[in-house]
Amino acid sequence: TQLLEQSPQFLSIQEGENLTVYCNSSSVFSSLQWYRQEPGEGPVLLVTVVTGGEVKKLKRLTFQFGDARKDSSLHITAAQPGDTGLYLCAGASGAQKLVFGQGTRLTINP
Amino acid sequence: EAGVAQSPRYKIIEKRQSVAFWCNPISGHATLYWYQQILGQGPKLLIQFQNNGVVDDSQLPKDRFSAERLKGVDSTLKIQPAKLEDSAVYLCASSFYRNTGELFFGEGSRLTVL
Repeated sequence: TQLLEQSPQFLSIQEGENLTVYCNSSSVFSSLQWYRQEPGEGPVLLVTVVTGGEVKKLKRLTFQFGDARKDSSLHITAAQPGDTGLYLCAGASGAQKLVFGQGTRLTINP
Repeated sequence: EAGVAQSPRYKIIEKRQSVAFWCNPISGHATLYWYQQILGQGPKLLIQFQNNGVVDDSQLPKDRFSAERLKGVDSTLKIQPAKLEDSAVYLCASSFYRNTGELFFGEGSRLTVL
C-alpha cells in the first residue's frame, strides 16, 4: 500500500511569513498533485508535477517534485490570509489509484 | 460548465439507520469516484467507476456500503446500517481521464451518525 506522509499536520503563522510543507513517501509516483480544500468545499487542484526535479510556480506558491519522485514540497512566500486551508498532496503510480496524504492544515493570521 | 453536484449537503441519522447520497459528475467525465473524508484526515477512496463499471472498490466496506452508477452518469452511495464511525464527509469526484489528470470534486455530503 502506498502511503503519503505530510508534515507538518498543522501550521499557524503570521501574514507575510514564508512556509514550506512536505509530502513524503517510500514509494515512487509517476505524478503528484497538490490540492487545497477550504471549509465546506471539496479539494481544488493547484498543480500536477510529473518529472523528477520539476519545479512549478503558481504566483507565490512554488511546488517541487523530488528527483526520485518519492517526495514533494510546497513553499509559500509572503503568506496571506487567503492561503488558509487544508493542503493535500496526492500521488498516482501507473494503474494504481490516486492516494491522498492526510493533509496540512494551514492558518494565516492577519 | 457545471461542476460536480452532490446532495444532500448535510444528513443526521441514528446508528443502524440507512442513508443515500447522490452525485452527478461533470458532463463527459467517464470516471467517477466516491471518497470518505473523516475530520482531520485526507480523502480515502471508497469506490471508482469507469462509465458504469467498477474499477476499484477494495476499500469499500461491502457489508454496509453499496454504490451504483447504472447508466454511467450519476451515482448513488448507500450506507445501511450506519455506524458511529461512518460520520464523515462523503466526497464525489469526476475526471476525464482514468487514474491521471485533475479530479473535480463536489462540495461533499456531511454525515453525522448519532
